[in-house]
Amino acid sequence: AQSVTQLGSHVSVSEGALVLLRCNYSSSVPPYLFWYVQYPNQGLQLLLKYTSAATLVKGINGFEAEFKKSETSFHLTKPSAHMSDAAEYFCAVTRNTDKLIFGTGTRLQVFP
Amino acid sequence: DGGITQSPKYLFRKEGQNVTLSCEQNLNHDAMYWYRQDPGQGLRLIYYSQIVNDFQKGDIAEGYSVSREKKESFPLTVTSAQKNPTAFYLCASSIQLGGAYNEQFFGPGTRLTVL
Repeated sequence: AQSVTQLGSHVSVSEGALVLLRCNYSSSVPPYLFWYVQYPNQGLQLLLKYTSAATLVKGINGFEAEFKKSETSFHLTKPSAHMSDAAEYFCAVTRNTDKLIFGTGTRLQVFP
Repeated sequence: DGGITQSPKYLFRKEGQNVTLSCEQNLNHDAMYWYRQDPGQGLRLIYYSQIVNDFQKGDIAEGYSVSREKKESFPLTVTSAQKNPTAFYLCASSIQLGGAYNEQFFGPGTRLTVL
């Protein structure tokens, strides 16, 4: 069975600081991995995805994530946080014929 | 513009009533999904459909029903059997189930409140 764990339900950073949101996956076969962002009272929007091409994936809004097979991780980073980055972020994993499995989410707060 | 629409945005239901949430997509996607979102619990899958006239139960299907008569539409009915229906409901679609094409596109959601 596959699963995904997001460490830290809440993360707070200052504006301009590094953003690091952690995601670890469990999968017996090579996975496909996704990061989504959700703003209050809205649907989810795809930030980026890993589909077994480059291990460093660049997404929208300056976010990127690195697939590390040895650590079974797919952490999301952004060099400099902006106030508009405040939202909830979800990591998700799937395999070739499976449903998408979501983590429980990490709420990012950005302080001025 | 291609996308997913959900209606209504807010819905109020009295106990004992069935209500139907609408989900329409014009992305020509085969697969569609319904999720329930509660604070601190992430997204939980209610039902999904890979093709027209076929659908499968997700993790929390009890008290819900769906239909998939058209490729574009996947309505969700919250029945009176659902004991705690107050939640935020999200509809999504993808080109197909699984793999790289399982990138899901989400609608704006419907917030259901039971009075």
